[in-house]
Amino acid sequence: TQLLEQSPQFLSIQEGENLTVYCNSSSVFSSLQWYRQEPGEGPVLLVTVVTGGEVKKLKRLTFQFGDARKDSSLHITAAQPGDTGLYLCAGATSNTGNQFYFGTGTSLTVIP
Amino acid sequence: GAGVSQSPSNKVTEKGKDVELRCDPISGHTALYWYRQSLGQGLEFLIYFQGNSAPDKSGLPSDRFSAERTGGSVSTLTIQRTQQEDSAVYLCASSPYSSGGADTQYFGPGTRLTVL
Repeated sequence: TQLLEQSPQFLSIQEGENLTVYCNSSSVFSSLQWYRQEPGEGPVLLVTVVTGGEVKKLKRLTFQFGDARKDSSLHITAAQPGDTGLYLCAGATSNTGNQFYFGTGTSLTVIP
Repeated sequence: GAGVSQSPSNKVTEKGKDVELRCDPISGHTALYWYRQSLGQGLEFLIYFQGNSAPDKSGLPSDRFSAERTGGSVSTLTIQRTQQEDSAVYLCASSPYSSGGADTQYFGPGTRLTVL
């Protein structure tokens, strides 16, 4: 059973465009993280959100945690080729403590 | 400082052979995780070690998979009698433990396992 579903699975856009990636679940999470992974490397943490409705901004990236703590979104403004990679959300439920379950992933390609 | 390291980086083996994958976590990190990732997909949780507590093995797909963590540091993931469906990238991550449940996981580069 996949706890976290991401959409879209693949996304190819032109440099300068905006995009949104979604991470959805029927489970409630105590915290949710977003990672970016480049080919041949492990994922690297971008952000952690812990409060329902929380919005965090990291330069051109905006992360939002749903009010009910079941979903999250990642919005990228004016995408650049350096944003290319696999974006993964990961959630910890209250009964898994420090263990995170990863989403299905969104593969983003930004074309120059 | 040194990050998480994994060895080997690539492993090609024949069906039915046993393999051992190694993970060296960041010094001082008490939590260690193993994940499996199929090509371009999300991460599948395998096993979690936290300090001296009994490991959470709930993600191991079969009894052919086992893992140890010696001295609270280095970990070895062993796959016995490998099958072709075991082919994947095996990722290790470590984190400093806190009670908040929102620790950063620091990942190694992974071991790409190919079973012929």
